Amino acid sequence: GNSVTQMEGPVTLSEEAFLTINCTYTATGYPSLFWYVQYPGEGLQLLLKATKADDKGSNKGFEATYRKETTSFHLEKGSVQVSDSAVYFCALSSSSNTDKLIFGTGTRLQVFP
Amino acid sequence: DTGVSQDPRHKITKRGQNVTFRCDPISEHNRLYWYRQTLGQGPEFLTYFQNEAQLEKSRLLSDRFSAERPKGSFSTLEIQRTEQGDSAMYLCASSVGRTAMNTEAFFGQGTRLTVV
Repeated sequence: GNSVTQMEGPVTLSEEAFLTINCTYTATGYPSLFWYVQYPGEGLQLLLKATKADDKGSNKGFEATYRKETTSFHLEKGSVQVSDSAVYFCALSSSSNTDKLIFGTGTRLQVFP
Repeated sequence: DTGVSQDPRHKITKRGQNVTFRCDPISEHNRLYWYRQTLGQGPEFLTYFQNEAQLEKSRLLSDRFSAERPKGSFSTLEIQRTEQGDSAMYLCASSVGRTAMNTEAFFGQGTRLTVV
């Protein structure tokens, strides 16, 4: 069945460091891929998405490219800020009409000044 | 506030009691989802409504769980005879159209259930 695997956290970085959070997926068909972020005390928010192979999603300095050949959707940011500290979830939506999301286990990012 | 609203935010109940949660989606959203999130895990799909029709249920949704969406507006999730394993965050999300297109699933802040 469909599944998402992402790197375990926490990821601890200094401000302005480069961030990569790895995400790989297993899916039948052609899923859409997402990164959601959960800031402390808040609900899940969509960070970025890509709906087909080779698409690049970007938002707030974060980027991820849909790589069908490696079944990956790694999240990157060139220079993290303390305000980026949160839990990041990689997810895919099935190609069925339901569009339910299948999430990874989440990666906690902690950025220190 | 025009986001997805969930009530209550927190619920503590004794094992064996029944609980009901409410979700008010964004008003024009015809799709509504319930997810469950346990500590250290990502959200897991429970059930999906399109308007008032419940079109998919996960096998995680045992017969103690029931969800409704009368009139295609708000939704309720009821858990009967709660067990300690039901302790989790219950999330509601809504969207208009397919998320594969240029739409987005918006999540509520969740209801945290603790069964003691």
